[in-house]
Amino acid sequence: QQPVQSPQAVILREGEDAVINCSSSKALYSVHWYRQKHGEAPVFLMILLKGGEQKGHEKISASFNEKKQQSSLYLTASQLSYSGTYFCVSQPSRNTDKLIFGTGTRLQVFP
Amino acid sequence: GAGVSQSPSNKVTEKGKDVELRCDPISGHTALYWYRQSLGQGLEFLIYFQGNSAPDKSGLPSDRFSAERTGGSVSTLTIQRTQQEDSAVYLCASSPQGPSYNEQFFGPGTRLTVL
Repeated sequence: QQPVQSPQAVILREGEDAVINCSSSKALYSVHWYRQKHGEAPVFLMILLKGGEQKGHEKISASFNEKKQQSSLYLTASQLSYSGTYFCVSQPSRNTDKLIFGTGTRLQVFP
Repeated sequence: GAGVSQSPSNKVTEKGKDVELRCDPISGHTALYWYRQSLGQGLEFLIYFQGNSAPDKSGLPSDRFSAERTGGSVSTLTIQRTQQEDSAVYLCASSPQGPSYNEQFFGPGTRLTVL
């Protein structure tokens, strides 16, 4: 039931791009993305509600394919501040407010 | 404005003791979540409160875990007869309504260590 993310870890040089994928074995009503820095609480990035919807947050954007039960997070021209663990979070249906965190992807950006 | 606060920030207890963890959500937020995060792992859903509705307890790992939310605000997570596998960071989050349209705001967490 837990969404599976890939890759598990990514190492980047500053300015490089990355894609983090999230796949669910069950239907998705919405997908949320959070970033957690070491020793800190998760911080919200964005919510995607509709199939095929794409949203952006500065140089971080995401897509959501409801039919494929997949979401991808795109990080463009990465900055040192992007380092952390990224979680996709699934909401299985509109009838439940229970959110399920994915397996996580650890991203490290070096100068 | 004030964010979500949790207390204590750290708790060390002996196996078999009971512990209470407290969460103060952002004022006016009707939704409140408890999660558990073991070292190097993702967040595990424990329980969810929404307004005056019955809580979703489906994530509680055993009957030693319970939570309540008084007056639709402060919440307390209680772990009875603690075990070493209960050691983790317990995170609380609140949101203005349900999660469909709202981000969750997380507290700093309580690090629980069971000796």
